[in-house]
Amino acid sequence: GENVEQHPSTLSVQEGDSAVIKCTYSDSASNYFPWYKQELGKRPQLIIDIRSNVGEKKDQRIAVTLNKTAKHFSLHITETQPEDSAVYFCAASMNTGNQFYFGTGTSLTVIP
Amino acid sequence: EAGVAQSPRYKIIEKRQSVAFWCNPISGHATLYWYQQILGQGPKLLIQFQNNGVVDDSQLPKDRFSAERLKGVDSTLKIQPAKLEDSAVYLCASSLDRGGQPQHFGDGTRLSIL
Repeated sequence: GENVEQHPSTLSVQEGDSAVIKCTYSDSASNYFPWYKQELGKRPQLIIDIRSNVGEKKDQRIAVTLNKTAKHFSLHITETQPEDSAVYFCAASMNTGNQFYFGTGTSLTVIP
Repeated sequence: EAGVAQSPRYKIIEKRQSVAFWCNPISGHATLYWYQQILGQGPKLLIQFQNNGVVDDSQLPKDRFSAERLKGVDSTLKIQPAKLEDSAVYLCASSLDRGGQPQHFGDGTRLSIL
């Protein structure tokens, strides 16, 4: 099955700086890559996603890039704010089943 | 639109007891998922339904876990008997269909086994 690795496991940045979280996947058949934000004790919430026919997608301060050849994708958060502090999970999925294979998560702390 | 509803939010039981969780997906969503999230880890898929049929239950410990989705809407997940290692948050999610669709999660049930 699919194996998703996520790095780093923890990340601290100063408010206003950028944060980058990277994920790699193993199965070249994966073609849908969502990112979820989970605040303590709350549900995972979809913040951005990308499909394999696109190399980059941006939504305000959040962007995701995908390199299909290298089988990795990254989340970029610019101008970070304290409310961005949370655990972020990447996932990979294939059209055939829509099972999500999640990474192990990155705990992001934005220091005011 | 209303989100995915789950109950209860918290449950504390002793080992070897049984417990059941309930999930009501977003209206019109054909696909429903149950995940187990152990503290500090990403969600792990337990079972996936497409309408009222099981698509994938390969990671469901079938000797103690069972799930059903009668009529293709609500779903229940049961654990009997519970073990200490079952302490986790059980998340339900739904998507419009299969095939590269965003999954929407409920708030989860935090289960503690004493």
